[in-house]
Amino acid sequence: TQLLEQSPQFLSIQEGENLTVYCNSSSVFSSLQWYRQEPGEGPVLLVTVVTGGEVKKLKRLTFQFGDARKDSSLHITAAQPGDTGLYLCAGVRAGSNYKLTFGKGTLLTVNP
Amino acid sequence: DAEITQSPRHKITETGRQVTLACHQTWNHNNMFWYRQDLGHGLRLIHYSYGVQDTNKGEVSDGYSVSRSNTEDLPLTLESAASSQTSVYFCASSDWGNYEQYFGPGTRLTVT
Repeated sequence: TQLLEQSPQFLSIQEGENLTVYCNSSSVFSSLQWYRQEPGEGPVLLVTVVTGGEVKKLKRLTFQFGDARKDSSLHITAAQPGDTGLYLCAGVRAGSNYKLTFGKGTLLTVNP
Repeated sequence: DAEITQSPRHKITETGRQVTLACHQTWNHNNMFWYRQDLGHGLRLIHYSYGVQDTNKGEVSDGYSVSRSNTEDLPLTLESAASSQTSVYFCASSDWGNYEQYFGPGTRLTVT
């Protein structure tokens, strides 16, 4: 059973479009992280959300943590080809001792 | 600048051979992790360590071992490589009290 479900799995859009990807679970998380992974490289942390209902913005990226701390979303405004990559969410469960639970990721392609 | 490196970046080996993948970090982090990334499975935790002489099994530890003789290094050994261990392997580290992980660039291992 996948603890963190990400949707969609694949997303191909044109430059300038907006998009939202989702990270859902039936479990509560202490915090949730979003990473971006480019081909041939390791994941790089984008943001950590901690409080239920929290919204964080990173330039054109907006991250939201659900009120019940079971889900999160990532919204990209006016996507650019440089946003192309695999977006991974990772959750911290209580008592996990620094271990993360990863979703399978959303592979985003932004076409020029 | 502090970093986390992995070597080799690519490796081809034969079934039954012992293989060791290196991971070296200069962040002085206590926590180190090994993951494998496969299509359809996302990132899965193999082994992890909270400090020198400490090692723990993750969710997919069968056929793998690690040792931690210093803070900087956590080598991953495949005792007898199997085709099912063909994958991309990532090493990561995090500081004590912090869940944010820093990833290496990965090692692509092919077992023929």
